[in-house]
Amino acid sequence: SAVISQKPSRDICQRGTSLTIQCQVDSQVTMMFWYRQQPGQSLTLIATANQGSEATYESGFVIDKFPISRPNLTFSTLTVSNMSPEDSSIYLCSVPGTSGNEQYFGPGTRLTVT
Amino acid sequence: DAKTTQPNSMESNEEEPVHLPCNHSTISGTDYIHWYRQLPSQGPEYVIHGLTSNVNNRMASLAIAEDRKSSTLILHRATLRDAAVYYCILRRNSGGSNYKLTFGKGTLLTVNP
Repeated sequence: SAVISQKPSRDICQRGTSLTIQCQVDSQVTMMFWYRQQPGQSLTLIATANQGSEATYESGFVIDKFPISRPNLTFSTLTVSNMSPEDSSIYLCSVPGTSGNEQYFGPGTRLTVT
Repeated sequence: DAKTTQPNSMESNEEEPVHLPCNHSTISGTDYIHWYRQLPSQGPEYVIHGLTSNVNNRMASLAIAEDRKSSTLILHRATLRDAAVYYCILRRNSGGSNYKLTFGKGTLLTVNP
């Protein structure tokens, strides 16, 4: 299994500002995923971040709004830029397990934009 | 991606078995059936997955219909800790490079003491 930590665990931010969320994994992984979970909703994949290449974004998500860095095999950041109240969500990172069958998720970052 | 249909909510009593259904009538031959659950204020956790045969692990059992158009996650003895949202997800080609998970709304399981 993989142990994933995220920072911050929660934050309250003002409209128009940006927040960078960190995701740290206790083992080296090629792929990392970023998800968004809006209030009362299910998870939606934002992007896939491979080390050494540009992140791949899902439909409806763009790099200018959600830039991602992947500097090494155990770390990634997701920035939520120019925030609006609609960005209030839980943001989660995940990694695949070594068997390739399961994914492990971080505890999430709860973001509130006022 | 093929779609899954789950009841919005189910209720169970502690220490009793729970059968969580999932319909996936448009499943393709290469789709694996995965189950995850999300406990309150936590990220999802993997429960079990299967392709055609029934599967058991320490957390649960997965019963897959012969035509693969439906499956059932079985918790043999529900505990209060099993109260969570349970997601049934189809994932093409388990393993390899296709790890993308598409979450539906899931089933909110309430366990009564």
